[in-house]
Amino acid sequence: SQQGEEDPQALSIQEGENATMNCSYKTSINNLQWYRQNSGRGLVHLILIRSNEREKHSGRLRVTLDTSKKSSSLLITASRAADTASYFCATDSTLTFGKGTMLLVSP
Amino acid sequence: GAGVSQSPSNKVTEKGKDVELRCDPISGHTALYWYRQRLGQGLEFLIYFQGNSAPDKSGLPSDRFSAERTGESVSTLTIQRTQQEDSAVYLCASSSRGLAYEQYFGPGTRLTVT
Repeated sequence: SQQGEEDPQALSIQEGENATMNCSYKTSINNLQWYRQNSGRGLVHLILIRSNEREKHSGRLRVTLDTSKKSSSLLITASRAADTASYFCATDSTLTFGKGTMLLVSP
Repeated sequence: GAGVSQSPSNKVTEKGKDVELRCDPISGHTALYWYRQRLGQGLEFLIYFQGNSAPDKSGLPSDRFSAERTGESVSTLTIQRTQQEDSAVYLCASSSRGLAYEQYFGPGTRLTVT
């Protein structure tokens, strides 16, 4: 079964807008991680949230985790063209990444 | 410090040939992972090494795929008798301990089987 499924599959916004993407998973976890992948920098770790945390911030990133719903969201505030990338979530209970959310930020 | 490196960056091979892909993890990282990413798809887990424990090979798609790791250093992923469906980017990652820690990814090896 797929663990770490992101939605939407694609998201297109204007610079300055906020972008929200979601991740659902199936089994219990100790932590959930978000990664970004673009052609220039490969796959890069963004943020890790542990199962006993509900919200975590890192710069313009805000991640929430709802273990009762087995879901997480990644919010990027004040988006920039450089945020254009695919965003993946992954959990520690299985080493599977979904297809990701492809975010396009237009100037 | 140096990140995860992979070689070659690109490999074109004929169907039926064997290929060997190499990964150099970050020094001191005990955990090493191999993934496959087909065009437009997510990452597909292949194999996971953690210290001296037996590797988790549950993601290897067939017996044509194998991987080795020498201690806590270099790993090689070998694909025997390559098929066209093996064409993908093969990504290696390492983490300081195991699944509870963030993974640092290499740039990948793009394999094309003609």
